[in-house]
Amino acid sequence: EVQLVESGGGLVRPGGSLRLSCAVSGFTFSNYWMSWVRQAPGKGLEWVATIKRDGSENNYVENVKGRVTISRDNARNLLFLQMISLRVEDTAVYYCVRLAGGHFDYWGQGALVSVSS
Amino acid sequence: ERVMTQSPATLSVSPGERATLSCRASQGVSTNLAWYQQRPGQAPRLLIFGASRRATGVPSRFSGGGSGTEFTLTISSLQSEDFAVYYCQQYNQGLSFGGGTKVEVK
Repeated sequence: EVQLVESGGGLVRPGGSLRLSCAVSGFTFSNYWMSWVRQAPGKGLEWVATIKRDGSENNYVENVKGRVTISRDNARNLLFLQMISLRVEDTAVYYCVRLAGGHFDYWGQGALVSVSS
Repeated sequence: ERVMTQSPATLSVSPGERATLSCRASQGVSTNLAWYQQRPGQAPRLLIFGASRRATGVPSRFSGGGSGTEFTLTISSLQSEDFAVYYCQQYNQGLSFGGGTKVEVK
């Protein structure tokens, strides 16, 4: 059974930093591109970042470039999202998702990141 | 950037009735389009990819169609568990979602 379990969410002040982790199981992690997708409270879905199978290529949505870094540890089946200089508008549930040919076929339950003073 | 527009924003339908949701791309995306269902308090779930291919375990009452810039998701006979928000997503160039359509009980 494919499982993706996020951790590391919480409350942070504007300008602060946070690192999300996603532990995956049930499939060969190193065979898949992975992504983070977020959802602000009461809003729609927004793709945030994607990382290639071996970690050699990353892509980001424009409004997080320079503030967010996606990375992975294929030996430990872990996906990460390092966020710095957090803004109020970064408040959202962040989902760890598996990318399969462009669409997202498996989703974690999400980690809530709240940015507030 | 491909902008995805979904309509209507809210669709009121009675159980057992047919629902048709629309998704329009600002530029052609071929059939590189997926649909997701999100029930309250839950993560999204993949329903359709490749514009018309049902994901594993998705009931046959869900069907997708279209190509280029115009797409539809049809639910042939709404069940209680189908009242949810539905999102389209293109993956022809970059990755982007539509704003969603909420299917509510009429």
